[in-house]
Amino acid sequence: TQLLEQSPQFLSIQEGENLTVYCNSSSVFSSLQWYRQEPGEGPVLLVTVVTGGEVKKLKRLTFQFGDARKDSSLHITAAQPGDTGLYLCAGQTTDSWGKLQFGAGTQVVVTP
Amino acid sequence: GAVVSQHPSWVICKSGTSVKIECRSLDFQATTMFWYRQFPKQSLMLMATSNEGSKATYEQGVEKDKFLINHASLTLSTLTVTSAHPEDSSFYICSARGRVDEQFFGPGTRLTVL
Repeated sequence: TQLLEQSPQFLSIQEGENLTVYCNSSSVFSSLQWYRQEPGEGPVLLVTVVTGGEVKKLKRLTFQFGDARKDSSLHITAAQPGDTGLYLCAGQTTDSWGKLQFGAGTQVVVTP
Repeated sequence: GAVVSQHPSWVICKSGTSVKIECRSLDFQATTMFWYRQFPKQSLMLMATSNEGSKATYEQGVEKDKFLINHASLTLSTLTVTSAHPEDSSFYICSARGRVDEQFFGPGTRLTVL
C-alpha cells in the first residue's frame, strides 16, 4: 500500500493541451517534492512545497500544496513534447527520518 | 549546485560476482544518502539509508548482507551487490540529502546480471 496515491497513472495528450496530476494521502507531510524522470536517468527535482496552501510556479508548471498538507497537484499549461516524462511526487512525514515516500508515478506523453 | 554523480552508469556482470556502485555529491556535503532500486515502469523503492560514519539502515525485506553500503565520507557512499544473480538486475539510484527536506538524485546505474 502506497502512502501517496498518485493519479492518473498514465496521461497522453496533444501539444498545447493542459494537464493536471494529483497526489493524495491520508497522512500529513512536512514537505512534498515533485520530480520528473526520463528513461534511463535519475529523477530531477522540480519543486519543494512546505506550507499548507502554498502555490509555486515554474514557467508553465504550477504546483499546489493542500491546506492540510495531505495532497498536492501539478498543473501543466500548454504542454509541449519536452514535458514528456514520468512525474513523481514524494513526501516526508514528521516521523520519516528524512526518508521520502514516493507515489507510483504518472507517465505523461505529449505528442506534437 | 546540488549535483550527484553515480559510477558506473551501467554494468554487466556474471552471476555470482560482486558489483560496487559509487554515489558522490559533487558540490555539497551529504551526511545522509539513500539507495533506491527501480523496476521498469515503476516508482522508486527505498532500499536503505546511508549515514556518514555509521551503519546503514535497511528497509524491511532488503538483505543487508547482500547489499553492502559504506558511507566513508560526507561526499561518497557505495553500494556493493554481493554474489549478484539475475533477479538483482535493476536500475539503482542514489540520492543525497542537501538542505532540509530536499533530496537530489544521481543519474542511476543500470545493472544487468547474466
